[in-house]
Amino acid sequence: QVQLQESGPGLVKPSQTLSLTCTVSGGSIGSGGYGSYWSWIRQHPGKGLEWIGYIYYSGSTSYNPSLNSRLTISVDTSKNQFSLNLSSVTAADTAVYYCARQTGFPGYFDYWGQGTLVTVSS
Amino acid sequence: QSVLTQPPSASGTPGQRVTISCSGSSSNIGSNTVNWYQQLPGTAPKLLIYSNNQRPSGVPDRFSGSKSGTSASLAISGLQSEDEADYYCAVWDDSLNGSWVFGGGTKLTVL
Repeated sequence: QVQLQESGPGLVKPSQTLSLTCTVSGGSIGSGGYGSYWSWIRQHPGKGLEWIGYIYYSGSTSYNPSLNSRLTISVDTSKNQFSLNLSSVTAADTAVYYCARQTGFPGYFDYWGQGTLVTVSS
Repeated sequence: QSVLTQPPSASGTPGQRVTISCSGSSSNIGSNTVNWYQQLPGTAPKLLIYSNNQRPSGVPDRFSGSKSGTSASLAISGLQSEDEADYYCAVWDDSLNGSWVFGGGTKLTVL
């Protein structure tokens, strides 16, 4: 059973970089099994879901065009982790951030982390 | 404003059948398969329907999905109190370099 767990600071100051890591257990990111892509998705308070971007185990990425200029997603297959860096954050980036496995392409998000709330505030 | 349009709310009484619509365009629903997610209060979304009408293991057959043209629907029959949740449609959009798009979500209330 694949499990995902987000970790990182719950509070980030405006203009700084939001950094989160997703640790995957029960399956290997590096194997590319099931055509797995690894995504970040966020949910603003009381709002709907917004896809941030994904990374394939090989390192290829796809980003939401609205976040592309501030976004970097990376993978560390040796640690079975993938990470999100979002620069120059503002209060509008306050949200619950989820990591999720996308099986196939385009596929679907079949496993999700529990989510972590990140608040942008001074 | 979401790329996919869902009604903000839906409701029904126990045992009833309810449907939730999801309207898109040729670059998303018209080109790719639709997935549905259920989000219970305070929890992460859960895959409910994939590839338009497929149920993951463990999802009751009370839940069904369909797609026609640039629209999709989620139907829940034999409504139960535990079905009260937010429901989201999602699909890959081929415009620009491609991206996932979600509907704005529908809050289902079981009366």
